[in-house]
Amino acid sequence: GNSVTQMEGPVTLSEEAFLTINCTYTATGYPSLFWYVQYPGEGLQLLLKATKADDKGSNKGFEATYRKETTSFHLEKGSVQVSDSAVYFCALKENSGGYQKVTFGTGTKLQVIP
Amino acid sequence: EPEVTQTPSHQVTQMGQEVILRCVPISNHLYFYWYRQILGQKVEFLVSFYNNEISEKSEIFDDQFSVERPDGSNFTLKIRSTKLEDSAMYFCASSPTTPTDDFGPGTRLTVT
Repeated sequence: GNSVTQMEGPVTLSEEAFLTINCTYTATGYPSLFWYVQYPGEGLQLLLKATKADDKGSNKGFEATYRKETTSFHLEKGSVQVSDSAVYFCALKENSGGYQKVTFGTGTKLQVIP
Repeated sequence: EPEVTQTPSHQVTQMGQEVILRCVPISNHLYFYWYRQILGQKVEFLVSFYNNEISEKSEIFDDQFSVERPDGSNFTLKIRSTKLEDSAMYFCASSPTTPTDDFGPGTRLTVT
């Protein structure tokens, strides 16, 4: 079956530090890959996505590249802000058929301190 | 921009009671889902729904759970007899034919 593994948190960074959250996946087919963000007390928001190998998803200064050879989709940001403090979920969804479920990683909590 | 909406935002119920969580998916979407997130844990798939029937369900989705699309807009999750371990955030999602899902804001269910 499909699975997503992401680095354990929490991750604590100072403002303006560089962020990397590692994510690797296992899938039977050719999935689309996603990063979702969950701010405290809120729901899931799609942060970025990539639908095929070598695609780069980007949004709000975050980016991630779909690496088929290493089955990875690491999230990066060059300079984090306090407002980026949240839980980040890596996820995948098979492209075969519209009703495929999303498989989530366990989430990585990011805390950015001033 | 259209959004998935969910009501109520927070539901408190006593163990053994029935609850119905409601969702309004985006109007032109065809696929509907429920997920659950126990506090501090990962988001888990419960069920997917297409063409007025369940297309896939997880082992969590036992006989206590049911889903329904009673009209053209609502999508509901019913838990017949709630247990303490059903306390969680429940997310509804919908998608068109593309792989990107839109998630609702969630309903926090507290079973006492």
